[in-house]
Amino acid sequence: EAGVAQSPRYKIIEKRQSVAFWCNPISGHATLYWYQQILGQGPKLLIQFQNNGVVDDSQLPKDRFSAERLKGVDSTLKIQPAKLEDSAVYLCASSLWTGGDSPLHFGNGTRLTVT
Amino acid sequence: AQTVTQSQPEMSVQEAETVTLSCTYDTSENNYYLFWYKQPPSRQMILVIRQEAYKQQNATENRFSVNFQKAAKSFSLKISDSQLGDTAMYFCAFMKPVGGNTGTASKLTFGTGTRLQVTL
Repeated sequence: EAGVAQSPRYKIIEKRQSVAFWCNPISGHATLYWYQQILGQGPKLLIQFQNNGVVDDSQLPKDRFSAERLKGVDSTLKIQPAKLEDSAVYLCASSLWTGGDSPLHFGNGTRLTVT
Repeated sequence: AQTVTQSQPEMSVQEAETVTLSCTYDTSENNYYLFWYKQPPSRQMILVIRQEAYKQQNATENRFSVNFQKAAKSFSLKISDSQLGDTAMYFCAFMKPVGGNTGTASKLTFGTGTRLQVTL
């Protein structure tokens, strides 16, 4: 099966600019996750979708970050305006359903550098 | 809230030798899942092994095995016959179980990782 696809692979922007990341999960996976991984740290969940509904966005900085999952398939994560501390790898993952018996499959991530 | 601690920022092991990575966690839950993920330079997180807390038997996957001590809240990963391809960051992670397609969040909480270098 095809894996989780993410684009772009790298992005460099200046602070206060906007940026968007795209994710295409594995076909049939109902649950989609966006994680932020700052250098030297483990990934931190930003938002979790079940189909096209949000089930957890408690750690999403909603003043600057937004995400949507169109038709319960692809998803985009947007940052507007970006800050220096947003420099990180943004990982998308998907799973068949929510729960520990349904493993997460991760994409290769987007490395964002904010200058 | 659950926390996951990995106290070894870096480890090194010679090819064909055995290495153990440590992980401890804190939770008030009785049922949960524990995972080890591998992250090579390609950045993709790859599931190495999974353990259900209600199972007493330690999980094994080929050269990878865990030592799960529920009372001590410890979950270490043993890599036997280390190979150069095992060089990567290894993350321990915790998940509280949520059954089926309930639409309820089940957040995967990661530790800070251990960088493993396998040398010749």
